[in-house]
This record gives sequence, structure tokens and C-alpha cells, in this order.
Amino acid sequence: DTGVSQDPRHKITKRGQNVTFRCDPISEHNRLYWYRQTLGQGPEFLTYFQNEAQLEKSRLLSDRFSAERPKGSFSTLEIQRTEQGDSAMYLCASSAHYRGLDEKLFFGSGTQLSVL
Amino acid sequence: AQTVTQSQPEMSVQEAETVTLSCTYDTSESDYYLFWYKQPPSRQMILVIRQEAYKQQNATENRFSVNFQKAAKSFSLKISDSQLGDAAMYFCAYRSADGQGAQKLVFGQGTRLTINP
Repeated sequence: DTGVSQDPRHKITKRGQNVTFRCDPISEHNRLYWYRQTLGQGPEFLTYFQNEAQLEKSRLLSDRFSAERPKGSFSTLEIQRTEQGDSAMYLCASSAHYRGLDEKLFFGSGTQLSVL
Repeated sequence: AQTVTQSQPEMSVQEAETVTLSCTYDTSESDYYLFWYKQPPSRQMILVIRQEAYKQQNATENRFSVNFQKAAKSFSLKISDSQLGDAAMYFCAYRSADGQGAQKLVFGQGTRLTINP
């Protein structure tokens, strides 16, 4: 399967702990996005990369959040000192952004984070 | 800032019937894209249909079609011949048509669609 994969699928942690999620995009996709979806709401944009460069961060991404995409392949999203308000599903998506190509976003199945 | 509103938290339809999901949005931009995404229990968001604001013709994809009313800022989704596999959360989304082309989508709150056999 060459879709977007996310690991882990579920994560339960205690308040104050650090957590890290991983996203593996579709191999030929140069753009990678992180979204957050809280219960009963639609996803909200957090940040995106083009290759290894992080091009934009939403104001929703506090200083406790950091995302990386070393070598322009997989990406990690780390949350430090987790708070109960961080409980949400974290969605990763990827796309092929090339001039003249109709860009389409492909989503993974998300990592569900529960902070106790 | 752009906003997207879906006023129907839940909808249900009989199998093989037609259902319409509503979406309104607010923007001051003249060029943008609108989307409908489906999120089944597997949680993966799947693109159903896309509409470019500069195109007057409504987009269609097999059993799915939209009614795009730019002046009214309305973008409804019609599902014809509903099938059990159509049961899911449906999200309406907006994207600015800026130069970077970044897929920074603004989503509505979603509508849960149930298909009754």
C-alpha cells in the first residue's frame, strides 16, 4: 500500500509527558501537512512542509509543538509537556506540488491522542 | 478570516434515495476552491468533489454533484442513489487560491450522514 501512513494509531499519555507522532507520506509527494481534529469538529491546519522546509505554521501551533521533516521524507510531530487540551486526532496529509499539476491532498488515518 | 458553516449536524436518507448536504462560507476573496470530503469510521479523509470558484459550471463526480451559488456563498452536495457505503461524516472545506497553492483547508463542523436500508 502506498498511501499516507501514521504511527501510532492511538496514544494515551499523562499530562506533562512528551509525545511524538510519525507520518510517512506517499513516496513521490513533496508536500506534507499536519492537521488537528478535535471531537465534533472539522480538521484545523497546523503546519506544512515542502520537501524539508517548514513553510508555514498556524498560530494554533504553540511553542510546545515542533514538527520536522528531515531529508524531505517522513515527518514527526512532537508535543512537549502535554495538556488535556491537546487531546485530539492529529492528521497527516501529503500532496505532489509541481507546476501545472492538479494538486490533490491525500490523508492518513490519523493518530488519536488522549491526555489523562 | 474565512469561515465554513455546516448547519446540519446529522442527516439520514433511505438507501437509493437522494440527499442534499448544506454548506455556507464567508470570504472576501474572489478566487478560491471549495471541497467536500468524506470521513468514514476508518478516519481517513477522502476527497469527494472539488469546485473552482471561477467556474460557473457545477462539478459532478458520478453520483455526487454540487450546487455552487457564488453570490450566496453556498455550496451544497447532492448524493443521488444513496448507498450504504456513503454513510460517513461529510466535511465542507474552503481553500484560498493564493500563489503558493498550499493546501491550507478551512473545514466546517461536519454532517453525519446515515443511510437507512
